[in-house]
Amino acid sequence: AQSVAQPEDQVNVAEGNPLTVKCTYSVSGNPYLFWYVQYPNRGLQFLLKYITGDNLVKGSYGFEAEFNKSQTSFHLKKPSALVSDSALYFCAVRDGAGTYKYIFGTGTRLKVLA
Amino acid sequence: NAGVTQTPKFQVLKTGQSMTLQCAQDMNHEYMSWYRQDPGMGLRLIHYSVGAGITDQGEVPNGYNVSRSTTEDFPLRLLSAAPSQTSVYFCAIRGTTTNEKLFFGSGTQLSVL
Repeated sequence: AQSVAQPEDQVNVAEGNPLTVKCTYSVSGNPYLFWYVQYPNRGLQFLLKYITGDNLVKGSYGFEAEFNKSQTSFHLKKPSALVSDSALYFCAVRDGAGTYKYIFGTGTRLKVLA
Repeated sequence: NAGVTQTPKFQVLKTGQSMTLQCAQDMNHEYMSWYRQDPGMGLRLIHYSVGAGITDQGEVPNGYNVSRSTTEDFPLRLLSAAPSQTSVYFCAIRGTTTNEKLFFGSGTQLSVL
């Protein structure tokens, strides 16, 4: 069965500084990896995905993520954080060789300080 | 929210009552799913469906029933509500043309007293 771990409940970063939100995964087949963002009292919005190809994927709002197969990681990054990036971020995985279960992590709250 | 409509937005139940959370879509997407969101637990998959007449269990299916008689609707039924089912429930859909991207509804906040 696939699983996702987000080891940090909260990440604090100063505005203008680079940010990283960590995610590791476990699947038996090919990993399909995703990041979603949730703003207060809203549903989740898609940020980016890795299915195949380049290990560095770029997404919405200047976010990017790097797929690292050897470390089974898919960390979310942004070169310069904005206060408006403050939100709850979820990593998700689907086993590309398995069922259509999209499994989410526990979420990381990002707080960008002005 | 990409044509995903969840009703109601808020609901309060007493223990033992039954209710149905509705999820409707106008995108003709074949894949529909239900998640619950709890503090510290993230989103957990309850049930999902890859098309009309086909449903399968997710991570936390106990206490919930689903059916998929049409492409448009995927209701989630609580037959006998328990306080442990207090949560925010999200419906998510995906189509063959969305390249694995899920679209979420705005959620239903359920309290079971």
